Amino acid sequence: QVQLVESGGGLVKPGGSLRLSCAASGLPFSDSYMSWIRQAPGKGLEWISYISRDGTTIYYADSVKGRFTISRDNARNTLFLQMNSLRAEDTAVYFCARDEQWLVHWGQGTLVTVSS
Amino acid sequence: EIVMTQSPATLSVSPGERATLSCRASHRIATYLAWYHQKPGQAPRLLIYGASTRATGIPARFSGSGSGTDFTLTISSLQSEDFAVYFCHQYNNWPPTFGQGTKVEIK
Repeated sequence: QVQLVESGGGLVKPGGSLRLSCAASGLPFSDSYMSWIRQAPGKGLEWISYISRDGTTIYYADSVKGRFTISRDNARNTLFLQMNSLRAEDTAVYFCARDEQWLVHWGQGTLVTVSS
Repeated sequence: EIVMTQSPATLSVSPGERATLSCRASHRIATYLAWYHQKPGQAPRLLIYGASTRATGIPARFSGSGSGTDFTLTISSLQSEDFAVYFCHQYNNWPPTFGQGTKVEIK
């Protein structure tokens, strides 16, 4: 069955960096569009970034543009999110998802806490 | 950005009863709408896409309707596993946006 497993979350100070990974199995990863979505504690969902199958088309939410970078390694079936200049308001659970416009499969998420 | 507004914020329903959830878009989105539910500590799960198409493995008690700006998710007979938070999601315009959620709780 489809599995998406995020990792790389943790506690980081404001201004710091983290790199999240999303390991995919059970799906044709190189044929899959992918997105990152986050959910702040007790809040709703916020889509933050999208990448096309070959990585040539990328979109970001305004809230993370210029600070976050999405990428993928199709040979390793892995999606990445490089997060720089982190702020307190970036504190959230970060989910990766297979994106067919609707979000078909989701990982369990990884928690990122930005605090001094 | 399209704003998605869900109502009510909380819906108290007895098992076996019908639940009706609403989602309104600030601009017309045709039928580019999905519904998900999320249980505590879990990832969201896709229920409906294209406003009315059930995702793979979703029981027939879940149905979606609407187009344009007003959408409805109906759960015909609530089961214990259906008590969760439900989100709508528009993917007609960039960026994709979500409603704030409706919590369906046991009455």
